[in-house]
Amino acid sequence: DAGITQSPRYKITETGRQVTLMCHQTWSHSYMFWYRQDLGHGLRLIYYSAAADITDKGEVPDGYVVSRSKTENFPLTLESATRSQTSVYFCASRWGTADSPLHFGNGTRLTVT
Amino acid sequence: GQQLNQSPQSMFIQEGEDVSMNCTSSSIFNTWLWYKQDPGEGPVLLIALYKAGELTSNGRLTAQFGITRKDSFLNISASIPSDVGIYFCAGYGGSQGNLIFGKGTKLSVKP
Repeated sequence: DAGITQSPRYKITETGRQVTLMCHQTWSHSYMFWYRQDLGHGLRLIYYSAAADITDKGEVPDGYVVSRSKTENFPLTLESATRSQTSVYFCASRWGTADSPLHFGNGTRLTVT
Repeated sequence: GQQLNQSPQSMFIQEGEDVSMNCTSSSIFNTWLWYKQDPGEGPVLLIALYKAGELTSNGRLTAQFGITRKDSFLNISASIPSDVGIYFCAGYGGSQGNLIFGKGTKLSVKP
């Protein structure tokens, strides 16, 4: 099915470990985004990408790394996970035209112990 | 930066009642979007509004783009239990930066 898929859906990791969250979309959308969702903070933008090999910081980028070697994939890596990175992470994508709506994946619930 | 103030934060209503929620900003927006998030899922687009004054329906949902371009409203008529979830407003401002989200309205429906 066409759409945007995230993996894994759930992940538990230990403080200090590296963990990568995957995002894959089949729409050929040029823009892709990573958000984290926490109680009281709503959706906060971590990183985004306008095209392959073009990435930019969002509101809360510290502690995260992204890459985009292919249009359809946008992995998010926590290089050394901290407890404050326990959250639900959402990937989203959209067309390149101005004002295009975002389409979200179903999220990855990450717990850092 | 630009912010969206969404209210109310939460609502507890009886099945069959109508629901209203809104989003306001001190600055102008060019596009308003309304999303719904079911528990354990990602936000899903409900309605997109692109012109000031525009009124758009999607089944029992109706949304309006305020004529001042600084607000938007979402109404749900005759609520049912599956309307439960968090409703987010979002908008693109004049600077055409990234989408800005409200903090959400959590809707609970009593059968």
